[in-house]
Amino acid sequence: QIVLTQSPAIMSASLGERVTMTCTASSSVSSSYLHWYQQKPGSSPKLWIYSTSNLASGVPARFSGSGSGTSYSLTISSMEAEDAATYYCHQYHRSPPTFGGGTKLEIK
Amino acid sequence: EVQLQQSGPELVKPGASMKISCKASGYSFTGYTMNWVKQSHGKNLEWIGLINPYNGGTSYNQKFKGKATLTVDKSSSTAYMELLSLTSEDSAVYYCARYRHEAMDYWGQGTSVTVSS
Repeated sequence: QIVLTQSPAIMSASLGERVTMTCTASSSVSSSYLHWYQQKPGSSPKLWIYSTSNLASGVPARFSGSGSGTSYSLTISSMEAEDAATYYCHQYHRSPPTFGGGTKLEIK
Repeated sequence: EVQLQQSGPELVKPGASMKISCKASGYSFTGYTMNWVKQSHGKNLEWIGLINPYNGGTSYNQKFKGKATLTVDKSSSTAYMELLSLTSEDSAVYYCARYRHEAMDYWGQGTSVTVSS
C-alpha cells in the first residue's frame, strides 16, 4: 500500500505567519487523487483541498495546495486562529486508500 | 444540504458483534459510493471499505476482511457496517463518508465504539 508521511508532526505558527506542511508518498500518486482534510477536536474530518490544489467549498483563499508525484504540500499564506487544527493528506489513487499521520498546527 | 447521520456511541463486550448505521439525506443515495473509515487513538485514519448503494457492490481493505461487513437499505437511504468478534483493538471512532471528486467529500459525525468487559 502507499504510505503517506507528513511533516512536521506538530508545528506552531504565529498569527499572520506563512505556514507550509508536506506530505511524501512512498510511490507516485496521481495529483487528481491526493487530498487534504482538516480536523478539529471532537469533529469529523472535513475535505479541505481536493485533487492537490482545489479548495473545497467554504475554504478560505489563504489556503493553497501543490505538488506532484510523491511530494505534496499545503500552505497557509497568513495564519489565522481558526486554522489551528490537524491536517491529514489522503490518497485514493491506489487501493487501499491511505492517510498520512497528520500535522497538528497550533498557534504560537 | 448533504447530511450523514450516524448511530450513537456503543459500549460492547469482547467477542460481541455490533452494527453502525449511517443515514444519508440531501442527495441521491444511490448515486455515490459510501466509504467507512476507522480513527483510533484520536489520530490514525484507516480506510475500511466501500459500498455502492446502487448495486450493493463492495470493496474491502484486506486488513478488515472478516472484521467488517458493509450493507445498505436503499428504501431508507441508510448504510450499515457490522463489526464482528470485537476486541479492544476495535475500540475507535468509525465514520461513514461519501465519495465524490475522487475524495470523501462529506463525513458523518462519527460513532464511538468502546470494547470492554
